[in-house]
Amino acid sequence: EDQVTQSPEALRLQEGESSSLNCSYTVSGLRGLFWYRQDPGKGPEFLFTLYSAGEEKEKERLKATLTKKESFLHITAPKPEDSATYLCAVQAAYSGAGSYQLTFGKGTKLSVIP
Amino acid sequence: SQTIHQWPATLVQPVGSPLSLECTVEGTSNPNLYWYRQAAGRGLQLLFYSVGIGQISSEVPQNLSASRPQDRQFILSSKKLLLSDSGFYLCAWSQGFTEAFFGQGTRLTVV
Repeated sequence: EDQVTQSPEALRLQEGESSSLNCSYTVSGLRGLFWYRQDPGKGPEFLFTLYSAGEEKEKERLKATLTKKESFLHITAPKPEDSATYLCAVQAAYSGAGSYQLTFGKGTKLSVIP
Repeated sequence: SQTIHQWPATLVQPVGSPLSLECTVEGTSNPNLYWYRQAAGRGLQLLFYSVGIGQISSEVPQNLSASRPQDRQFILSSKKLLLSDSGFYLCAWSQGFTEAFFGQGTRLTVV
């Protein structure tokens, strides 16, 4: 069974204080790992897709990295508008229609204090 | 560009009443379509997915059903709602083995 564990559950940062969010996963063959941002009462917003160990993607103050067992979302000099819940999801390399599914972690709630 | 529409945004329904949530996608053809439910502290749970018209796969035995009457339309239904059906329902689409894009969600409260 595919599993995704995100840590910490919640993180409070001062504005400008850089940190990282962790996503550990167990899957029998990774097709892709996805990061999303979710604001309260809204649907998740897609951020990044990572496919292989060693891959990195960047967008503004965010950088996502991938190893064979985990992914990190690094936040550099965060601003209050970066406050949100960040979700990680994996897609396993099964065959058949079931392989389209994403398995999500419970998320990390990030609060950036001015 | 592709867009996904999901409505209504909020819904309060009595126990035992029927449910119909609709989702449509624009700007793409033959998308994979998904219904997820998000409960507090439990993450996103996949309920149904569809890889084509009339093709529905269910992930969790429940009081809900899904239908795909048109290529870019996905409907979530129930004949009789239960209190446990309350939650935040999200529709999503993807193109093949790529990232999924979500709608804005429907907050359902069963009273």
